[in-house]
Amino acid sequence: EAGVAQSPRYKIIEKRQSVAFWCNPISGHATLYWYQQILGQGPKLLIQFQNNGVVDDSQLPKDRFSAERLKGVDSTLKIQPAKLEDSAVYLCASSRTTGGIDGYTFGSGTRLTVV
Amino acid sequence: GIQVEQSPPDLILQEGANSTLRCNFSDSVNNLQWFHQNPWGQLINLFYIPSGTKQNGRLSATTVATERYSLLYISSSQTTDSGVYFCAVNSGGFKTIFGAGTRLFVKA
Repeated sequence: EAGVAQSPRYKIIEKRQSVAFWCNPISGHATLYWYQQILGQGPKLLIQFQNNGVVDDSQLPKDRFSAERLKGVDSTLKIQPAKLEDSAVYLCASSRTTGGIDGYTFGSGTRLTVV
Repeated sequence: GIQVEQSPPDLILQEGANSTLRCNFSDSVNNLQWFHQNPWGQLINLFYIPSGTKQNGRLSATTVATERYSLLYISSSQTTDSGVYFCAVNSGGFKTIFGAGTRLFVKA
């Protein structure tokens, strides 16, 4: 089966600019996750979708971050305006069941640098 | 919420050596996974192991759920094993929590 697709692979922007990332999960996976991984740390969950509904967005900085999953398939994550501390790798993952009890599959990530 | 601690934080091995990585968690779990993040950043699922023992080639994992820990064994390490190993747990809610990882470097 095809993996989780993410784009772009790399992005460099200036602070206060906006940026968007795209993710296409594995076909048939109902649950989609966006994680933020800061250098030297483990991934931190930003938002979790079950089909096109939000299950958990408790750690999403909603004043600047937004995400949507229209039609319950692919998803976009947006940052507006970006701050220096948003520099990180943004990982998308999908799983067949809620909570990833059957295991996750991760995309290759988008490495964001804010200068 | 559940806490996940991994040890050691860093590990340097000579090629061919064996190692054991540990993951402690503070509450009962429904799911525990081990991931390898390669130097290019790709996270690869190694094991889904909420309890018991599994083996895949030179890697094996054991989770003792009643004592709240899991171990990842790497035998005859190779330079391609370098990277960061993460333990991730789900305690029954919607959220999977990752540990801080063990950074492994295998020298040729």
